[in-house]
Amino acid sequence: DTGVSQDPRHKITKRGQNVTFRCDPISEHNRLYWYRQTLGQGPEFLTYFQNEAQLEKSRLLSDRFSAERPKGSFSTLEIQRTEQGDSAMYLCASSSFEGGYTEAFFGQGTRLTVV
Amino acid sequence: AQSVTQLGSHVSVSEGALVLLRCNYSSSVPPYLFWYVQYPNQGLQLLLKYTSAATLVKGINGFEAEFKKSETSFHLTKPSAHMSDAAEYFCAVSEGGGGFKTIFGAGTRLFVKA
Repeated sequence: DTGVSQDPRHKITKRGQNVTFRCDPISEHNRLYWYRQTLGQGPEFLTYFQNEAQLEKSRLLSDRFSAERPKGSFSTLEIQRTEQGDSAMYLCASSSFEGGYTEAFFGQGTRLTVV
Repeated sequence: AQSVTQLGSHVSVSEGALVLLRCNYSSSVPPYLFWYVQYPNQGLQLLLKYTSAATLVKGINGFEAEFKKSETSFHLTKPSAHMSDAAEYFCAVSEGGGGFKTIFGAGTRLFVKA
């Protein structure tokens, strides 16, 4: 397994357009997380899935954002009607949860620039 | 509610000097604590983690951190800086294992001078 994979690595879009990012977690991991990281800040939690169920969403995740993990494997994060404030690095992480502590592994991120 | 404060957004050291990056946390339950490193345009790599076992935690690349409950601190140290250590470092706290709602600090950028 090559780790958490995110696609694309970079995306430039015009304001008002929709964008979709994909995350492929480590294959045996049942938890998947999305974070957003703006310049000069640490990552901020957006949402997470356990298998295909979306268990929690941050208040940062406005109605324009939607995330899915349809078969409990890969996940997509869609942003509709993008705004310049959406420009950020979007990070995906995965972990294996069976009770107790397990480490989360991060992908390399998708950098979104809204122009 | 959890929170993390990293003291100093930028730290500069000379090659071979001690590295000390400061982190204080707030948590209502015994926390899991982490240090991550991030190189430009890359994701986060876990350096080390505290999960209620030994208070002195050793990580990769010669880094270590000490959990001090009385001071609510989890400072990161390395005895001798190397040029390759130049990166952004994030302290993080989680009240659940497995990265569940891990809260990150704002980061400290480490510069290493030759």
